[in-house]
Amino acid sequence: AQRVTQPEKLLSVFKGAPVELKCNYSYSGSPELFWYVQYSRQRLQLLLRHISRESIKGFTADLNKGETSFHLKKPFAQEEDSAMYYCALRIQGAQKLVFGQGTRLTINP
Amino acid sequence: GAGVSQSPSNKVTEKGKDVELRCDPISGHTALYWYRQSLGQGLEFLIYFQGNSAPDKSGLPSDRFSAERTGGSVSTLTIQRTQQEDSAVYLCASSPRPGLNTDTQYFGPGTRLTVL
Repeated sequence: AQRVTQPEKLLSVFKGAPVELKCNYSYSGSPELFWYVQYSRQRLQLLLRHISRESIKGFTADLNKGETSFHLKKPFAQEEDSAMYYCALRIQGAQKLVFGQGTRLTINP
Repeated sequence: GAGVSQSPSNKVTEKGKDVELRCDPISGHTALYWYRQSLGQGLEFLIYFQGNSAPDKSGLPSDRFSAERTGGSVSTLTIQRTQQEDSAVYLCASSPRPGLNTDTQYFGPGTRLTVL
């Protein structure tokens, strides 16, 4: 079965430090990978998707099919990046998203 | 424009009672999804609607759970004979272009269900 693993439940870094949120997936086909973010008291929203290959709010993520990973990175963390981050997978022919357990990122001043 | 809305925002019920959760998708979105967010389980898919039909019900955890969508718009998730393990935040999402890799799911604020 398809699975998304986010090994860190909690991640804490200082403002200005680099951030990397890890995501690994298990799926033998061609996946679509996403990062969703949920800020405090806000609804879950799309941050970025791998096919767009764009940087959103300074975050980037590269799909590595060899390592089956889609890690989220930002070179210089900001306090407003504190949130819950979910990695998600959509398999070919399906519409549902398979989510990881989420990582709570805290940026310390 | 208005986003996905859900009601009620909070629901407390007693074990064994039935509950109905409502979702109003973004106008014009043909696809609608229900997910459940519970402690220790993360976000789990429940059911997907395309129009009024549900081609994927694979995430419904038991036959106590059912959902319907009418008029290609509003959806209701019904949980019969609620159990304490049903306590969770139930999220609804809608999307405009299912099947395209540019499709995006937009989430509602959720309904927090507590079963006592």
